[in-house]
Amino acid sequence: DVKVTQSSRYLVKRTGEKVFLECVQDMDHENMFWYRQDPGLGLRLIYFSYDVKMKEKGDIPEGYSVSREKKERFSLILESASTNQTSMYLCASTPIGVLGSPLHFGNGTRLTVT
Amino acid sequence: QQQVKQSPQSLIVQKGGIPIINCAYENTAFDYFPWYQQFPGKGPALLIAIRPDVSEKKEGRFTISFNKSAKQFSLHIMDSQPGDSATYFCAARPYTGAGSYQLTFGKGTKLSVIP
Repeated sequence: DVKVTQSSRYLVKRTGEKVFLECVQDMDHENMFWYRQDPGLGLRLIYFSYDVKMKEKGDIPEGYSVSREKKERFSLILESASTNQTSMYLCASTPIGVLGSPLHFGNGTRLTVT
Repeated sequence: QQQVKQSPQSLIVQKGGIPIINCAYENTAFDYFPWYQQFPGKGPALLIAIRPDVSEKKEGRFTISFNKSAKQFSLHIMDSQPGDSATYFCAARPYTGAGSYQLTFGKGTKLSVIP
């Protein structure tokens, strides 16, 4: 089974801190994604990457950046955390070239910014 | 602009009932429509998916109905059980080509099945 592991289940940070959310997948998938989940707003794509050192903006990239130095690892960075970034963050991966392949999600990191 | 509209936001049914969740899309480039199921404390997981070449797809107690002309699709859960209580997301994307890895999700439906 594909495993997508998010390093922290819960995080509490202060406003203005730099925050790193880490995600690792073990199935050699080329595509990796960061989503944000908020009640009533569903899943919104922040950034995705289709290869090492490659990144593309999603629907809500403002206030975030990403890093992909190794194929298996995709990091989401909040340069200066704000209270409106309190949310559940979900990482996902999927392979290239496999039609209909699903997104494989981690179990999420719940971030609270105080 | 929301590209996939999902309703209702929440749904409560009794055990054995048939909850129905509806989604509508606007982008005619979408031709792959998965549903994801999310239990509390877990990430979403693929439940069932359909392409527009068929009007219905069934897997166990879960059925997707698809209406291409209306650009609508729905999830039906037959003989619902308390273990089906979860949040359900519809989604859409192109099956191949540009954008084919970027799912657009609906806002989700929280289903509660009461004994």
